[in-house]
Amino acid sequence: DIVMTQSPDSLAVSLGEMATINCKSSQSILDSSNNKQCLAWYQQKPGQSPKLLISWASTRESGVPDRFSGSGSATDFTLTISSLQAEDVAVYYCQQYYNTPRTFGQGTKVEIK
Amino acid sequence: QVQLVESGGGVVQPGRSLRLSCAASGFTFSIYGLHWVRQAPGKGLEWVALISPDGNTEYYADSVKGRFTISRDNSKNTLYLQMNSLRAEDTAVYYCAKDDGYSNNWGQGTLVTVSS
Repeated sequence: DIVMTQSPDSLAVSLGEMATINCKSSQSILDSSNNKQCLAWYQQKPGQSPKLLISWASTRESGVPDRFSGSGSATDFTLTISSLQAEDVAVYYCQQYYNTPRTFGQGTKVEIK
Repeated sequence: QVQLVESGGGVVQPGRSLRLSCAASGFTFSIYGLHWVRQAPGKGLEWVALISPDGNTEYYADSVKGRFTISRDNSKNTLYLQMNSLRAEDTAVYYCAKDDGYSNNWGQGTLVTVSS
């Protein structure tokens, strides 16, 4: 199984400041058919279902604010919130969809400092 | 728009069975794989199972293999999860999600509590 490891487990950031979440996969998750990384980022607010933010490591979903961006390659990936807003308080998960089992990172809780 | 609505959760004793359903609408059900993903109280997301569009191929997490069965009825646009030999550690909110590789559509979840 591919193990997804996020860091940190939690972080507190001031409003308007940058938040960075890291995700490391235990092996390559590169889809050789399209040369894209099979990595998704989800946001989950309390009491809500997960919401897809980014697919293919860096493709923002329609309607997702452009302060959210994804990057990375090989086995190291990053979700960046460029200017944290109050509504961004949530737990963020990475997930690989390269193969099954479709594994998630343990989650990173983002709070306001 | 895509809608996924889970049902069937509740309180069940250890060792007993429960069947969850997920009613889908707003997309061509029969051409998409579907997942079950669960979340124990206060914990992270755990992928449970995936079924192929035609229902002929199933994948399971090791934690549920041999106890849970994922199935679908394409004539009813409904996904199922048959859960047998339930354990306390199966207590969680169970979500169904549409498969696009990633999952950009999730249900609201249904809570399963395994307790005596």
